[in-house]
Amino acid sequence: GAGVSQSPSNKVTEKGKDVELRCDPISGHTALYWYRQSLGQGLEFLIYFQGNSAPDKSGLPSDRFSAERTGGSVSTLTIQRTQQEDSAVYLCASSLGGGGRVNNEQFFGPGTRLTVL
Amino acid sequence: GQQLNQSPQSMFIQEGEDVSMNCTSSSIFNTWLWYKQDPGEGPVLLIALYKAGELTSNGRLTAQFGITRKDSFLNISASIPSDVGIYFCAGPSYGQNFVFGPGTRLSVLP
Repeated sequence: GAGVSQSPSNKVTEKGKDVELRCDPISGHTALYWYRQSLGQGLEFLIYFQGNSAPDKSGLPSDRFSAERTGGSVSTLTIQRTQQEDSAVYLCASSLGGGGRVNNEQFFGPGTRLTVL
Repeated sequence: GQQLNQSPQSMFIQEGEDVSMNCTSSSIFNTWLWYKQDPGEGPVLLIALYKAGELTSNGRLTAQFGITRKDSFLNISASIPSDVGIYFCAGPSYGQNFVFGPGTRLSVLP
């Protein structure tokens, strides 16, 4: 497809279980971002990948959260030992990257709604 | 770190009315982005601003980059029901990372 896709669209899990969320960015976009959005709230930055550079992990809330980006394309956000406060919509975005005005404009996927029971 | 504030937090307007919302920062930004998020969807970029004083339109939407570089405004003229959603402003935090405001939730009454 032409846009950013995320899977699954919804995930319900039990407290303590691990979950993996997937993001397929727009082809050719070198920058990829993960955000978390709690109900009725704004976007909370989690992690940012740019090309082959070391990711910016400054937004990850705890060491239970990690993310990988394989081959500079698909990314997986993993949450270990999930807690109820992890319940939120997890949004992925990509951009052309590499600096410059237009290259920074982010395109978002539809998100994965995570519910931890 | 850098933070953005948006006002109002929410607004209820009648269809056909004009809407105005703003975004402010305690620090200078060199880029302002305005996004709209429909229920159950990811945010969609509406307007991007790159120069202080810049005024840019996209259909019924007009956004301005404040002269102080610490604020931006978004106006919607002649609102329609599909304008309902959450409007976010965003600006570069550092590098190519971005910080988002808390959003303005718009409801349009028929």
